[in-house]
Amino acid sequence: GAVVSQHPSRVICKSGTSVKIECRSLDFQATTMFWYRQFPKKSLMLMATSNEGSKATYEQGVEKDKFLINHASLTLSTLTVTSAHPEDSSFYICSARDSMDQPQHFGDGTRLSIL
Amino acid sequence: SQELEQSPQSLIVQEGKNLTINCTSSKTLYGLYWYKQKYGEGLIFLMMLQKGGEEKSHEKITAKLDEKKQQSSLHITASQPSHAGIYLCGADMSNAGNMLTFGGGTRLMVKP
Repeated sequence: GAVVSQHPSRVICKSGTSVKIECRSLDFQATTMFWYRQFPKKSLMLMATSNEGSKATYEQGVEKDKFLINHASLTLSTLTVTSAHPEDSSFYICSARDSMDQPQHFGDGTRLSIL
Repeated sequence: SQELEQSPQSLIVQEGKNLTINCTSSKTLYGLYWYKQKYGEGLIFLMMLQKGGEEKSHEKITAKLDEKKQQSSLHITASQPSHAGIYLCGADMSNAGNMLTFGGGTRLMVKP
């Protein structure tokens, strides 16, 4: 159980394009979803926390207009990187959990490359 | 410095050897989670520790949280090539049950 599906696994696109990444909990209801960014050989950096039906809470230094997060249902959250530039190239990972006393379960990540 | 320090940063062991990875904080850890990541992939949940002195085992992996809830260790017995990967500890450091702070990770290689 506790499977999280993230799609797409890899995206290569031109500078200025907007990219949408989906994160789905397949066999549980995710009241909270998290979006992380990971740089090469580095640990995970939390970008934002989203609760179903409410606005996401962004970490300091993360531009909310740049990284749009929608959590419209208990099984789906999306991250849209708007007008992406090469410096946005990174590995983005989502996680989900159904309650506060349960661990976060992670998707397989999305490798974003902006040319 | 990071709030959650992991050591060592990397580790190369011979197959069959035991190893230990540590995760330390100067603050109380209200929940401690161990994950494994293969390069370029997502994180696989291993174990969750919440009580001081708690110890959990799964197959050849044992995780412990000290009584003060500031230090955790992950011990692998008789390591195998399949244990290779990046081990990350994550902790709830605010008792809000919300976000996790992650350590820098330990890159483990197991030589056959």
